[in-house]
Amino acid sequence: DSGVTQTPKHLITATGQRVTLRCSPRSGDLSVYWYQQSLDQGLQFLIQYYNGEERAKGNILERFSAQQFPDLHSELNLSSLELGDSALYFCASSAGLAGGEEDEQFFGPGTRLTVL
Amino acid sequence: AQKITQTQPGMFVQEKEAVTLDCTYDTSDPSYGLFWYKQPSSGEMIFLIYQGSYDQQNATEGRYSLNFQKARKSANLVISASQLGDSAMYFCAMRELNRDDKIIFGKGTRLHILP
Repeated sequence: DSGVTQTPKHLITATGQRVTLRCSPRSGDLSVYWYQQSLDQGLQFLIQYYNGEERAKGNILERFSAQQFPDLHSELNLSSLELGDSALYFCASSAGLAGGEEDEQFFGPGTRLTVL
Repeated sequence: AQKITQTQPGMFVQEKEAVTLDCTYDTSDPSYGLFWYKQPSSGEMIFLIYQGSYDQQNATEGRYSLNFQKARKSANLVISASQLGDSAMYFCAMRELNRDDKIIFGKGTRLHILP
């Protein structure tokens, strides 16, 4: 158990809908990262928040948005869903900001999103 | 251009043998970090090892070591004395610390350990 929790575990929805994925980082970790893993695209970094502020942005679509709240939990909002958005969405957390060894990322179990 | 290349989509290795998983990277940033992650069939991502671009020595973590050849832009993962539980997908990743801090993953190598 990494200490990172994600809810829900599975989500099935229809095209055009909007969903919210939730992540609680490990206690004390200030950084939260979101990743998308799909069969054709592999593992893609979406976005990072550090202590409530957006820190780095990856291949995140405009239909997607995220935020980190004062209690450090984070939400990833996916809207106008398409079939191609079906994927495993991971959240990870780390203590620090940079990419050093001290900034080891701990991954949550993921949310499996299926868009029908 | 692909920044992280893992050329071995799949590998079969006999139990107790050592195995090397290849990873090459491309960056012009002098400051970067290299990571290896393991993803078993259960789906979770497990951090294995980290190498900083300025680290003089190869990183080691138990049975895992990273063969870092900076001039060749290579960061191969070596697993010694492989075990059945090592069967998993392995991802190499890089973070360029002076750029936008994006983390880029390779496509992964599926490792099968044979009894």
